[in-house]
Order: sequence, then structure tokens, then C-alpha cells
Amino acid sequence: GENVEQHPSTLSVQEGDSAVIKCTYSDSASNYFPWYKQELGKGPQLIIDIRSNVGEKKDQRIAVTLNKTAKHFSLHITETQPEDSAVYFCAARTWGGGSNYKLTFGKGTLLTVNP
Amino acid sequence: EADIYQTPRYLVIGTGKKITLECSQTMGHDKMYWYQQDPGMELHLIHYSYGVNSTEKGDLSSESTVSRIRTEHFPLTLESARPSHTSQYLCASRGRPDTQYFGPGTRLTVL
Repeated sequence: GENVEQHPSTLSVQEGDSAVIKCTYSDSASNYFPWYKQELGKGPQLIIDIRSNVGEKKDQRIAVTLNKTAKHFSLHITETQPEDSAVYFCAARTWGGGSNYKLTFGKGTLLTVNP
Repeated sequence: EADIYQTPRYLVIGTGKKITLECSQTMGHDKMYWYQQDPGMELHLIHYSYGVNSTEKGDLSSESTVSRIRTEHFPLTLESARPSHTSQYLCASRGRPDTQYFGPGTRLTVL
């Protein structure tokens, strides 16, 4: 089955700096890669996603890049703010049997933005 | 904003009690999921459903059971709760084409 590795597990940055979180996946058939942000006491929320036919996607201060050959994808947050502090999860869509798929998640990165 | 709800948000119960965690969504999604989230943050898929009368076990073995009698409702039941069941339980549903929406979670503590 699919295996998604996420690094680092914790990341501390100063406000205004950039933060980068990296993930690798094992199943070359995976073709959809979402990123989720989980704030304390809440469920994960989708913040950006990318499909395998695209190499990069940007939404304001966040961007995701995908390297299909190397099977890795990354989340980039620029000009970080204290409200960016949260746990971030990457995921890869994998085959779940029949015509259905499931998401395999990385283990999460705790991002702390220091004022 | 996703329309997926979980109740209760917090639950503290004694060992041996039967509990049901409720999950409902108003988006008409066929595919629904239950995850267990440990204190180390990792998400473990414990159950999923592709539609009414469809339930499957996930990657992590769980003593809980689920049912899917209506599209919008996907409850999770523990027949006899134990301290090892203490965890955060997250429900999710998936719409087209791939977006998976999570509920706010139920934090369960078994004494």
C-alpha cells in the first residue's frame, strides 16, 4: 500500500520567515495530493491541493510543488504569521479498490510561528 | 465551510459503558470515514463507507463498529468502552472530485 512520509515533525520559525514542509510518497499511481491544517481543538481543514498533471500551485501566501519523478511534494508558506501556527498534514490519494480511492496521510508537522 | 457535524464534542465515561459517537453531513456525500487521532497527531483510518449499507474496516484495527443506514448519518459505536479507547475521533466525508471534509472531532476519555 501507499506510504507517505512527512518532515519535519516539528518546525519553529520567526514571524515573517518562510516555512517549508516536505512529503514523499511510495505509490507512483497516486495522483492527488491535498494539504490540511489542523488548529487546536478542531478538525483538519483543506488549505490547498495539487494534482499530478500540475507541478506547482499557489494561493496567496501558500504554495505547493510536486515532483512526480522523485515522488515528493512540498508545502511552502511565505511571510508566516502567528495564526499559521497549527499542525499540517500532507496526504496522497491511493487506490481503495473498485472505483474508489482513499487518502493516506503523513504523520503531521507541528508548525510554531514565534512573534 | 464544510457541513459535517459531530456530537458530542467531548465525552468522559466509565469503563464498560456503551457509547455512540454521532456524525452527520448535509452535503449528500456517499463516501464517509472515521479516523482515530492519537496524541502524537497521526491520523489512523478505522472505518469507511462508500454509501448506504456499505461499511469497511480501515487500516487500524478497532473494536468499534459503524453503520450506514442513511446517506447523511455515519455513527460509530463502542459496545464496552475501555481506557485504551481514549482518543480523538474524527469523522470525514468526501465530495467530488476528491475534497475530503472533516468534522470538528469528538474527544473521548474513558476512565
